[in-house]
Amino acid sequence: GNSVTQMEGPVTLSEEAFLTINCTYTATGYPSLFWYVQYPGEGLQLLLKATKADDKGSNKGFEATYRKETTSFHLEKGSVQVSDSAVYFCALSDLAGNQFYFGTGTSLTVIP
Amino acid sequence: DTGVSQDPRHKITKRGQNVTFRCDPISEHNRLYWYRQTLGQGPEFLTYFQNEAQLEKSRLLSDRFSAERPKGSFSTLEIQRTEQGDSAMYLCASSVYPGTGFGNTIYFGEGSWLTVV
Repeated sequence: GNSVTQMEGPVTLSEEAFLTINCTYTATGYPSLFWYVQYPGEGLQLLLKATKADDKGSNKGFEATYRKETTSFHLEKGSVQVSDSAVYFCALSDLAGNQFYFGTGTSLTVIP
Repeated sequence: DTGVSQDPRHKITKRGQNVTFRCDPISEHNRLYWYRQTLGQGPEFLTYFQNEAQLEKSRLLSDRFSAERPKGSFSTLEIQRTEQGDSAMYLCASSVYPGTGFGNTIYFGEGSWLTVV
């Protein structure tokens, strides 16, 4: 079956630190992979996505590369800001795009 | 484009009462999804529609839950005889299917918080 496993949080970093949030997946076929971000009290917003192996998704300084050989889609950012404090969800969609499977989320707090 | 809109944003109800949530998807989006999210967890799939047809329902969607999308535009999610375990955020999302290729992306609303007391 399809599933997503994220590194557990919470993660606390100082401003300008390097961020990595690990995500691995199990899927049949060739899923598309996503990172969503959720700010307190709000819904999820798409951060970036990748649709095939070796694709790199990027947005707002965040990047993630679709690694089929390691079934991973780790989120990285070179220099985090206080405004990046949120919960980050890794997700995959099946090939048909009918279902989306989410990880449990990783809470990030960036301190000045 | 306006985003996905959900109403109400917050609802407090007594156990045993019925509640209804409404979702207005992004215009022209033919797919509409409902998810449930509890504290510290990721969204869990409940059901989805393509136009007015309900194509899939999760086992999480008990008999007390019903969703409709009568004209293929807005959707309602009704919970009958609410229980404390129903307390959660109910998220609606929409997408264009099949879209322009792989990577069908879903766009979420801000969610409807339900507290059952």
